Amino acid sequence: SYELTQPPAVSVSPGQTASITCSGDRLGNTYACWYQQKPGQSPVLVIYQDDRRPSGIPERFSGSTSGNTATLTISGTQPMDEADYYCQTWDSKTAVFGTGTKVTVL
Amino acid sequence: EELLVESGGGVARPGGSLRLSCVASGFNFDDYGVGWVRQGPGKGLEWVSGINWNVATTTYADSVQGRFTISRDNAKKSLHLQMDSLRVEDTALYFCARRAMSTIPIWYFDLWGRGTLVIVSS
Repeated sequence: SYELTQPPAVSVSPGQTASITCSGDRLGNTYACWYQQKPGQSPVLVIYQDDRRPSGIPERFSGSTSGNTATLTISGTQPMDEADYYCQTWDSKTAVFGTGTKVTVL
Repeated sequence: EELLVESGGGVARPGGSLRLSCVASGFNFDDYGVGWVRQGPGKGLEWVSGINWNVATTTYADSVQGRFTISRDNAKKSLHLQMDSLRVEDTALYFCARRAMSTIPIWYFDLWGRGTLVIVSS
């Protein structure tokens, strides 16, 4: 089955930049999106179609792709950004989620 | 306010059945594809199943194919998941999620419910 690989954890200091990668051998042929999930809450879409931001999502969240890797960048990270982040794509009529990355703001 | 509210979770024995429901409000339900995503205890998100707006297309994860059946009733703004032949590994929080409107033939989800918990245990 198709897999999307993310680093298990990323640590960042307040105000600094956090980057989360998502790798999949067919990502270069499709789009990626990203979700934020805080403890006890439902996922929230923060980036779609690689680099588009839904209304209401702060500008510090941005997305990019290069080859088979998608990247979520949080610029000027705030303590409220501490959460789990998941990438997701669509492959063979199924949604595929990444393994998830826990972002800790130290 | 746009909402998805799940119900129907509970405890079932291995081999048993449960039927989950999700009721939508605050938007035109029959304009959207919808699906189910689950999250096992302490685990990541896993796609379960999806159904497009006119019921013409249903999709399933390999792990539930042949055991789960997705359906919807647009008149009642509701989505259902019939879960049969349940396994211990089906234990999870089951989220109902709305497919975002897109001109591109991909699915991603812009509205999620709070989830309903399914526990499969002997």
